[in-house]
Order: sequence, then C-alpha cells, then structure tokens
Amino acid sequence: DADVTQTPRNRITKTGKRIMLECSQTKGHDRMYWYRQDPGLGLRLIYYSFDVKDINKGEISDGYSVSRQAQAKFSLSLESAIPNQTALYFCATTGTTNTGELFFGEGSRLTVL
Amino acid sequence: GDSVTQMEGPVTLSEEAFLTINCTYTATGYPSLFWYVQYPGEGLQLLLKATKADDKGSNKGFEATYRKETTSFHLEKGSVQVSDSAVYFCALRNNAGNMLTFGGGTRLMVKP
Repeated sequence: DADVTQTPRNRITKTGKRIMLECSQTKGHDRMYWYRQDPGLGLRLIYYSFDVKDINKGEISDGYSVSRQAQAKFSLSLESAIPNQTALYFCATTGTTNTGELFFGEGSRLTVL
Repeated sequence: GDSVTQMEGPVTLSEEAFLTINCTYTATGYPSLFWYVQYPGEGLQLLLKATKADDKGSNKGFEATYRKETTSFHLEKGSVQVSDSAVYFCALRNNAGNMLTFGGGTRLMVKP
C-alpha cells in the first residue's frame, strides 16, 4: 500500500460544484502539503499544515480551503469549482526534521467543465 | 523571492546518449538543492540532493553539482535508458524557510 494515498484519483465536475480531495498518510509525519501542478508551471503550493492545529496559506490559496482532521489526514476543498482549477493536485508529507525530502501521493486529476 | 528556472522540454534522446538538464536558481543565503523525478502516472520522488556549495548529489547514475558561483544545479547522466523517460523537477529549499520552490519541470523522452 502507498504511504500517501489520495482520493479520488480522477474527478470530473461542473462549474460551481463543491469538490473535496482527500489525503491520508501512514508515514507518521507531522507536515502535510497540497500542491497544484500545471504544465510548464511546476508545482505551486496551495496550503500546508505542520500539525493538526496549524494551517497556513501557500502562494495560490484563493478559491481553496483545507481541513486537517487528524495527523494522518489533510483534505483540500474547492467550494465552488471553476474551469481554471482544472489541474493535477498532489498531497505531500515530510517529517519534522524536514530534510527537504517530500513524499508525494499519486495525484488527483480534477477537471472542471 | 526564491525561484528556480529549468530548461524547457521536451528533451528527446536516443538510448545511451548523454543527458544534461539545466537548472539555475535565485535565492538568498545558502539553499539546499534537489532534483525530483515524476514517472508517468506517479507522484514526484526525490532523485538526489545537495546541501552546500560544491556538493555532488548522485543516484541511479544521475548526478548534479551545487555550483554557487553560477547558481546552478544541472542534472547529468552519462547513458540514458528508456526507463529514464519522466519529468524532472529542480527545487530549492531556503534555509530560512520550510518550503520547497519548484522549477517548471523538464520532460525527458528516451527512444530505443
């Protein structure tokens, strides 16, 4: 089983709909991240959390919200999806020592029509 | 702010060819530098890293040297294989922060 699991792996939705992407990890890490990947733009940070009571905005947080339900779970929500949120979304984790190595899930591909 | 610039792809090579993917960065202080690889349908995984100037990171035949004087961290491999086909991301972590800044990624395609 994967150490970092994302659900759903693929989702097609319509403009204005609410969508939630879920992430769970079995690595025991405190730090969790949500990134968005667009062609040619690399990965851009949406939100990150260093523990259950700590939530921080990244560089592109507008239009997104997150919830850290437990140490192992970090979900990303789009309250009212729009077409330019069509992208590949990745969850990642790292330990407190933060050597710089992130452990990524396999990604959630979201299409907003 | 911090930034990472990679050569645009795709890079198409024949098997056993020499690979270079250029990466330059802008950052304050002395960042740590990373190369991540993304195989088709998978998440990113760490390929190699270097934490100080003149360090050489290496893994799976790939290597990159931290060059502070040219603010570069070019990825090289002497003989690529079809299985190396993937997207490669250069990244930095500024020691003043906790975040990674990624480059735009370079797609490598290796033909038999």
